[in-house]
Amino acid sequence: NAGVTQTPKFQVLKTGQSMTLQCAQDMNHNSMYWYRQDPGMGLRLIYYSASEGTTDKGEVPNGYNVSRLNKREFSLRLESAAPSQTSVYFCASSEANPLGPQHFGDGTRLSIL
Amino acid sequence: GQQVMQIPQYQHVQEGEDFTTYCNSSTTLSNIQWYKQRPGGHPVFLIQLVKSGEVKKQKRLTFQFGEAKKNSSLHITATQTTDVGTYFCAGGDYKYIFGTGTRLKVLA
Repeated sequence: NAGVTQTPKFQVLKTGQSMTLQCAQDMNHNSMYWYRQDPGMGLRLIYYSASEGTTDKGEVPNGYNVSRLNKREFSLRLESAAPSQTSVYFCASSEANPLGPQHFGDGTRLSIL
Repeated sequence: GQQVMQIPQYQHVQEGEDFTTYCNSSTTLSNIQWYKQRPGGHPVFLIQLVKSGEVKKQKRLTFQFGEAKKNSSLHITATQTTDVGTYFCAGGDYKYIFGTGTRLKVLA
């Protein structure tokens, strides 16, 4: 059972470079989420998608864009990476109505030099 | 905006001692979830509470949802080394806001 799959697992970027983090779920969930977790901190919501075709900003959306490509896939793009975006990024999915347990991927550890 | 705070931030206990973490929201919650994250891992869902005053148990873990649905607690009886990790609460309606987490260290 794959659950939520994130790629890549690790990435090092230089300031100003762009990249896309990929996330796919095989549980037929409507809702998907992107979080960032900084060392010793909780999870902060970047963007979420309540259903296919919709996306909304979370707590910390600046510097990021998202695409809900289809029901399975939800990608996160950094257009011009900054050192402040060094973090661990988690993707999650859940049933939408009612809002159910979130299933997380293994995370992407991103370092920006 | 909605804020969810947890106390304490850190807790070190001797193996066999009890442990409690508290979650407090600035607004009334429709429901609350609890997650555990092991060091280097991802959050794993533990339980969801929906009703005012609800109490649920999972073996040594007891979860409570406050009467006013603005606070919750997780109590672990007789901690074991396998309980090590960070415990998060998360509350919300159409999206969840995570609490700041409580990092538990169990000393053998």
